[in-house]
Amino acid sequence: AQSVTQPDIHITVSEGASLELRCNYSYGATPYLFWYVQSPGQGLQLLLKYFSGDTLVQGIKGFEAEFKRSQSSFNLRKPSVHWSDAAEYFCAVGEDSGYALNFGKGTSLLVTP
Amino acid sequence: DAEITQSPRHKITETGRQVTLACHQTWNHNNMFWYRQDLGHGLRLIHYSYGVHDTNKGEVSDGYSVSRSNTEDLPLTLESAASSQTSVYFCASSDSSPQETQYFGPGTRLLVL
Repeated sequence: AQSVTQPDIHITVSEGASLELRCNYSYGATPYLFWYVQSPGQGLQLLLKYFSGDTLVQGIKGFEAEFKRSQSSFNLRKPSVHWSDAAEYFCAVGEDSGYALNFGKGTSLLVTP
Repeated sequence: DAEITQSPRHKITETGRQVTLACHQTWNHNNMFWYRQDLGHGLRLIHYSYGVHDTNKGEVSDGYSVSRSNTEDLPLTLESAASSQTSVYFCASSDSSPQETQYFGPGTRLLVL
């Protein structure tokens, strides 16, 4: 069965520090991979996505993610976190057979001064 | 600008009542989705539609129904509201390709007493 795992429920980082949020998936074929961000009380906004080509993808707000097929991972990174990055982050996976996405349970990011 | 809206944004109802949550998009997308978001579960797919008069069940469809009579709208109906349906509901839409971004509405917070 398809599954998406975000191992970290909560992460706390200091402002200016680097960030890596983990995402692992279980899919038979090459998946379509997405990272979304949700600010408190808001809907979800796409940060970046991967479906083919260069395995390192750049997104909005200075985020990037790397697709590693051998590790079934699509980790999200940012070199220097800002206080405004505090939010809930969701990894999601789709595939060729349909358009619905399978979401991970999310990682809550807290940024300390 | 194209957008996706949900109404109401907040709703309180009693168990056993029928409730309808509205979703309207002006993207002219064929695909529309309903998710619920609960603490510890992330987003789970309730129903989805790939076009007018098309509807499909998602992971957690029991107690919910949808109908698609035009491209712009996908209302979600709770036939007989239960306390277990207290949640935040998100509508999303996307174009007809698995690679396409899903655009999310702002959400409806539903409390069933």
